[in-house]
Amino acid sequence: GDSVTQMEGPVTLSEEAFLTINCTYTATGYPSLFWYVQYPGEGLQLLLKATKADDKGSNKGFEATYRKETTSFHLEKGSVQVSDSAVYFCALSDPGSGNTGKLIFGQGTTLQVKP
Amino acid sequence: KAGVTQTPRYLIKTRGQQVTLSCSPISGHRSVSWYQQTPGQGLQFLFEYFSETQRNKGNFPGRFSGRQFSNSRSEMNVSTLELGDSALYLCASTPTGQPQETQYFGPGTRLLVL
Repeated sequence: GDSVTQMEGPVTLSEEAFLTINCTYTATGYPSLFWYVQYPGEGLQLLLKATKADDKGSNKGFEATYRKETTSFHLEKGSVQVSDSAVYFCALSDPGSGNTGKLIFGQGTTLQVKP
Repeated sequence: KAGVTQTPRYLIKTRGQQVTLSCSPISGHRSVSWYQQTPGQGLQFLFEYFSETQRNKGNFPGRFSGRQFSNSRSEMNVSTLELGDSALYLCASTPTGQPQETQYFGPGTRLLVL
């Protein structure tokens, strides 16, 4: 079945460091891919998404490119801030039959940014 | 537009009881999905409702059920609570539930079963 694998955390970086969080997926079809972020005590917020191969999603300095050949959707940011400290989830939505409204999530990666 | 709202935000129940959680989607959104978040299992899909019909269901026991009303508000119910049901329950809404649509999440209901 469909699945998402994220790099394990926690990831601890100094402010202004470069961030990469790896995400790979397994899907039978051509899924849409998402990165969500969860701040302490809150629900999930969409960070960015890509709905077809080679699409690049970007938001707030974060970027991810949908790579079909490597089944990957790695999250990157050139210079992290303390306010980026949160849990990041990679997710997919498979357009296969009957898969409405269903996101499949990775395990989440905790990012801590130190001043 | 107002975001997705969930009530209550916190609940404490004892084993064997039942609980009902409520979710109001963004205005105009007709699809509501529910997820369970636990430290051990992560985020798992429970079910999705669209136009008062359950269209998709995750791998959870029959103790977990839901419904949707004509105004798209949704409720989920858990009967005969077990300790393992302690979790953050999140709902999300989209216009039609199609895979490419962004799901907008509420703040969640944190359920503690004692």
